[in-house]
Amino acid sequence: QKEVEQDPGPLSVPEGAIVSLNCTYSNSAFQYFMWYRQYSRKGPELLMYTYSSGNKEDGRFTAQVDKSSKYISLFIRDSQPSDSATYLCAMSANYGGATNKLIFGTGTLLAVQP
Amino acid sequence: DAGVTQSPTHLIKTRGQQVTLRCSPKSGHDTVSWYQQALGQGPQFIFQYYEEEERQRGNFPDRFSGHQFPNYSSELNVNALLLGDSALYLCASSLVQGGKSPLHFGNGTRLTVT
Repeated sequence: QKEVEQDPGPLSVPEGAIVSLNCTYSNSAFQYFMWYRQYSRKGPELLMYTYSSGNKEDGRFTAQVDKSSKYISLFIRDSQPSDSATYLCAMSANYGGATNKLIFGTGTLLAVQP
Repeated sequence: DAGVTQSPTHLIKTRGQQVTLRCSPKSGHDTVSWYQQALGQGPQFIFQYYEEEERQRGNFPDRFSGHQFPNYSSELNVNALLLGDSALYLCASSLVQGGKSPLHFGNGTRLTVT
């Protein structure tokens, strides 16, 4: 079993839809949870960073962490064609310092149709 | 403010050859991590360097080695290349001092082994 599971998609939605992306994990030591966006032929770009359980909102993006269920989500409101990319969840037992190894999901490919 | 830069962007090598990839961290960052991203997969942690020392290593064989220079730039070396080493190699940088610093990724080097 992989430490982090993520539905690879692809996920296709119409412009303006609410998108829900999810990951589950097995390692209870994970405390830091991130969502990265990766456009084709580019490196991952950090979208959201959350520590422990709870919600965090930034513009059209909301990240949720439920440590009791080992489940994290990213919601995108009013999705735009420019949101079309691969979304990667990532997590870590520690963050910052000289050791901050991230464990990534496989990524979900999202296509927002105009 | 220069982000993480990697060179070269693309590389084609033959099985058994050796390759060196280079990375310059984001200005002000002192820690460099390397990740391997196979097609359709999430990035896999290779190792992390801080103060010119390897601080943490993922599940990669000794054929993968690295170096960090006094100016914080880094190299990834892979010996005895295998077809399975074909992937996007990502460099990420962060700052140890000051607490929780997110990883900033470069756009990667696409390595093809034939």
